[in-house]
Amino acid sequence: DIVMTQSPVSLSVTPGEPASISCRSTQSLQHVDGKDYLDWFLQKPGQSPQLLIYLASNRASGVPERFSGSRSGTVFTLKISRVEAEDVGVYYCMQGLQAPWTFGQGTKVDLK
Amino acid sequence: VQLVESGGGVVQPGGSLRLSCEASRFMFNDFWMHWVRQAPGKGLVWVSRIDPHGRVTDYAASVEGRFTISRDNAKNTLYLQMNSLRVEDTAVYYCVTESADLWGRGTLVTVSS
Repeated sequence: DIVMTQSPVSLSVTPGEPASISCRSTQSLQHVDGKDYLDWFLQKPGQSPQLLIYLASNRASGVPERFSGSRSGTVFTLKISRVEAEDVGVYYCMQGLQAPWTFGQGTKVDLK
Repeated sequence: VQLVESGGGVVQPGGSLRLSCEASRFMFNDFWMHWVRQAPGKGLVWVSRIDPHGRVTDYAASVEGRFTISRDNAKNTLYLQMNSLRVEDTAVYYCVTESADLWGRGTLVTVSS
């Protein structure tokens, strides 16, 4: 199985400041179609996970522009340019290249 | 467009439950569907998936041989039959589309004596 290692475990951010979360995979997530099968989710307290970024760098419908995703080798990064109060929760990365889907351990983001 | 899970509850170790996930207002028949679970206070864990025709299935090693995923496309419904339940199967179970852009609210399964 592909192992996803996410960091940091927790992050406390001042509103308006940037934040960054990393996720490393044990192998390339690039499909034969050339796309990287890596998604980012936010699970707000008491809610189901919601898709933020798909295929490593594409914002899902309705996701604010302050969220962006990128890749360097097998390290994927989610960046929030300016954190807002509604961004608190637990962030997960997930590889969807092959079954079983595997998730990072999660990063809990709260406000200072 | 939504997914609504049902069928969760409290069951003793060794017991069985069948979860359902009803899909509405999207082309259910066209998509692979997945179950993902989350133990209380823990992270997300993939459980199983099924192809659009119900012919191809995959399972996490932890549930292989105990859980069975199926679907009824005429009813737009996904199922998860869970047998020989263990305490460690306690979790909220979510149904999810292949594109992961649609999740249900989840249904809680508690395995306890």
